[in-house]
Amino acid sequence: SQQGEEDPQALSIQEGENATMNCSYKTSINNLQWYRQNSGRGLVHLILIRSNEREKHSGRLRVTLDTSKKSSSLLITASRAADTASYFCATATRGAAGNKLTFGGGTRVLVKP
Amino acid sequence: DAGVIQSPRHEVTEMGQEVTLRCKPISGHDYLFWYRQTMMRGLELLIYFNNNVPIDDSGMPEDRFSAKMPNASFSTLKIQPSEPRDSAVYFCASSPSPTNEKLFFGSGTQLSVL
Repeated sequence: SQQGEEDPQALSIQEGENATMNCSYKTSINNLQWYRQNSGRGLVHLILIRSNEREKHSGRLRVTLDTSKKSSSLLITASRAADTASYFCATATRGAAGNKLTFGGGTRVLVKP
Repeated sequence: DAGVIQSPRHEVTEMGQEVTLRCKPISGHDYLFWYRQTMMRGLELLIYFNNNVPIDDSGMPEDRFSAKMPNASFSTLKIQPSEPRDSAVYFCASSPSPTNEKLFFGSGTQLSVL
């Protein structure tokens, strides 16, 4: 079963607008990561936020984490056509050896030029 | 570094045949993960290894699936016998540390079982 559930499942915006997507999860986590997947490709790591952090920035990306609500959000500011992709959250939980990463269902983002 | 390398890129086979997917992780990465991606179920963790040892195989669907890592630079995921419902994209990913703060994914193997 998926640890993370993402919302919305799909998002269509105009170039220059902001894109926001949310991730909810069920159990305690060590960290939460966001990945991007372009069509037909593997996933690429974007940003990580640790369980004791509330907000993180990287370029046009802003991630928040609310452990009390077990939720995270990813904001992409000033979107570009090249941001068109699927975005996944992944929750890291302690495994028998190392952290185990479980992915959500993803949000498909279409940025129209 | 060439990144995580998976082969084949595409595999088409008939129901009942044995399928072997291959993965070469990034050199020096001690953790290796196998995921399966479908429209219906999203990305599912099948199994992960640490230092060539399987740590958690609770996501392996059934006995038809097996995974091995005979050495630090090679892993296989085998399906025998294959069924149409195994059709999916199979990803391998590797990581250099126990915190697994960043996974590096291969390009995946698109498997079609007819």
